[in-house]
Amino acid sequence: DAGITQSPRHKVTETGTPVTLRCHQTENHRYMYWYRQDPGHGLRLIHYSYGVKDTDKGEVSDGYSVSRSKTEDFLLTLESATSSQTSVYFCAITSGPTNYGYTFGSGTRLTVV
Amino acid sequence: GQQLNQSPQSMFIQEGEDVSMNCTSSSIFNTWLWYKQDPGEGPVLLIALYKAGELTSNGRLTAQFGITRKDSFLNISASIPSDVGIYFCAGQDPPGGSNYKLTFGKGTLLTVNP
Repeated sequence: DAGITQSPRHKVTETGTPVTLRCHQTENHRYMYWYRQDPGHGLRLIHYSYGVKDTDKGEVSDGYSVSRSKTEDFLLTLESATSSQTSVYFCAITSGPTNYGYTFGSGTRLTVV
Repeated sequence: GQQLNQSPQSMFIQEGEDVSMNCTSSSIFNTWLWYKQDPGEGPVLLIALYKAGELTSNGRLTAQFGITRKDSFLNISASIPSDVGIYFCAGQDPPGGSNYKLTFGKGTLLTVNP
């Protein structure tokens, strides 16, 4: 297995509540990414991390925050969930220059009602 | 920002037929990648292309990195039912501050009729 797990796999939450999704890796990779997948939009980058405590925004970062306090964990938080954030969320990892492309987790399906 | 135009959006083919899909970009990429996504799973890397003009095969799959560095295509020969899924192209930012970010196309949904 690739050594990347996402939790939870499914979640239903109410509008206005905070939600945290977790990505855990056992590969000791430096780079981690959060994407969302929506019909008609493909995969869009939310936030990414290039090291512990080093994060930056992607193209659809509004309403999301991230934290990375240790190499193996990258957390995505929806500060106040909205229906437009109903989506499938994927975490991905790469070691960088010696490993082109990413390894993806299996995704978290989030429904905001 | 960068955009990738992937076509076709969907394809319905008979088992045994060949398939071709392509991706074009408004900007240059140093690396092109092709992924496949099965239902309920994350995308899995099929082929990576590193040089303009490069032609690479992986079993029944063949992909090419366009000479202009702004396009790529993927061919699948003699399709089988397990080829069903969503295929994504992705361009990787040049190194040097890019943090290896990928930009994805919107995907091609492939259905194979037995």
